[in-house]
Amino acid sequence: DIQVTQSPSSVSASVGDRVTITCRASQAINNWVAWYQQKPGKAPKLLIYAASILQSGVPSRFRGTGSGTDFTLTISSLQPEDFATYYCQQTNSFHTFGQGTRLEIK
Amino acid sequence: QVTLRESGPALVKPTQTLTLTCSFSGFSLNTSGMSVSWIRQPPGKALQWLALIDWIDDKYYSTSLETRLTISKDTSKNQVVLTMTNMDPVDTATYFCARESYYDTSGYYDFWGQGVLVTVSS
Repeated sequence: DIQVTQSPSSVSASVGDRVTITCRASQAINNWVAWYQQKPGKAPKLLIYAASILQSGVPSRFRGTGSGTDFTLTISSLQPEDFATYYCQQTNSFHTFGQGTRLEIK
Repeated sequence: QVTLRESGPALVKPTQTLTLTCSFSGFSLNTSGMSVSWIRQPPGKALQWLALIDWIDDKYYSTSLETRLTISKDTSKNQVVLTMTNMDPVDTATYFCARESYYDTSGYYDFWGQGVLVTVSS
């Protein structure tokens, strides 16, 4: 199975900061990565698919990059509503999720 | 408008079989490229993908759970059913169903149900 390692597991930041979350796959997965945001008690929300394509309605401060084994989600200029948990997912072989990154207010 | 909704028991006993139903609207599992997955999330923990069924009735399972899982669809009812045998307290989780769409060959879940919390306890 393809393993997905997401880091950091948690990060503290302030409104207006820039934050980067990384996701590393155990083998090359082309661009078959999606990123989700999840708030407590809610279902995940799709942010990015095919590694870099912004889902309709998602603010442009969210940006996804990468290919092969290394991927990043960058949030520029954090807004109060961005504090949540973020997951990457690979869909190259089965559909493994990363362990999640909790983004907290500093 | 695409919607999905999970239904099933809130409480099951250890060793019992869990049956969950995902009822959806706004798309058809007869349409080329469509698929529905089940994903679960234990309290305070990460998402775990469980199973997928696609429009041609191909089925895929998490390798760690495949001996316990069965996924099926009823296209006439717009439902996908997941059964999980031999339930254990570690299977306590919120179970989600989600629709998978594709960009080129890259899949992603664009619509999710609200989830159903299943507790395994005697």
